Amino acid sequence: KAGVTQTPRYLIKTRGQQVTLSCSPISGHRSVSWYQQTPGQGLQFLFEYFSETQRNKGNFPGRFSGRQFSNSRSEMNVSTLELGDSALYLCASSKQGGLAYEQYFGPGTRLTVT
Amino acid sequence: AQKVTQAQTEISVVEKEDVTLDCVYETRDTTYYLFWYKQPPSGELVFLIRRNSFDEQNEISGRYSWNFQKSTSSFNFTITASQVVDSAVYFCALSVGASGTYKYIFGTGTRLKVLA
Repeated sequence: KAGVTQTPRYLIKTRGQQVTLSCSPISGHRSVSWYQQTPGQGLQFLFEYFSETQRNKGNFPGRFSGRQFSNSRSEMNVSTLELGDSALYLCASSKQGGLAYEQYFGPGTRLTVT
Repeated sequence: AQKVTQAQTEISVVEKEDVTLDCVYETRDTTYYLFWYKQPPSGELVFLIRRNSFDEQNEISGRYSWNFQKSTSSFNFTITASQVVDSAVYFCALSVGASGTYKYIFGTGTRLKVLA
């Protein structure tokens, strides 16, 4: 069974630009969550989508948004990029929603904002 | 407020030694879930175990074992006879809430170095 895939793996953007990251969950998984990992803040939960609806949300500004498609694939968008948005963005999928179950993570997208 | 504390930032052991990674959590909820994940140098987090707040049974999986104690709000992870392949960052996580309000909180991680 294929694991969680994320594209692109690496990205360099300029301050003020916007970026879209993509995540394909494990087949049959309907929940997709996004996390930001930085050396200073560690791993932080961004949001969770289940059946195309955002179910849970972390404490991030509205510049961070996402969506989920009918095939469970998910995209995360960050607008008006700031230097502090440089991070590893991890996507995880789960069979059930609600974050009470084990999650399977992708390799991440490393975003560098210059 | 919910919180997960992994006080050990980095641990170094020699191969075949036993090592325990500590995890202390804080929550006022009675229903919650605890997890351990491993992040090897490749960067991809790997799920190790999930435990709900009503199940205090300890668990053993090969060389790995977990000790859940609600009385001390701890969920510690022990690797027996460590191997070089165990070198990674280990994260403890807490999930608490209800649909729409779940919080998923990670600890800061413990970097384990197993030396040959």
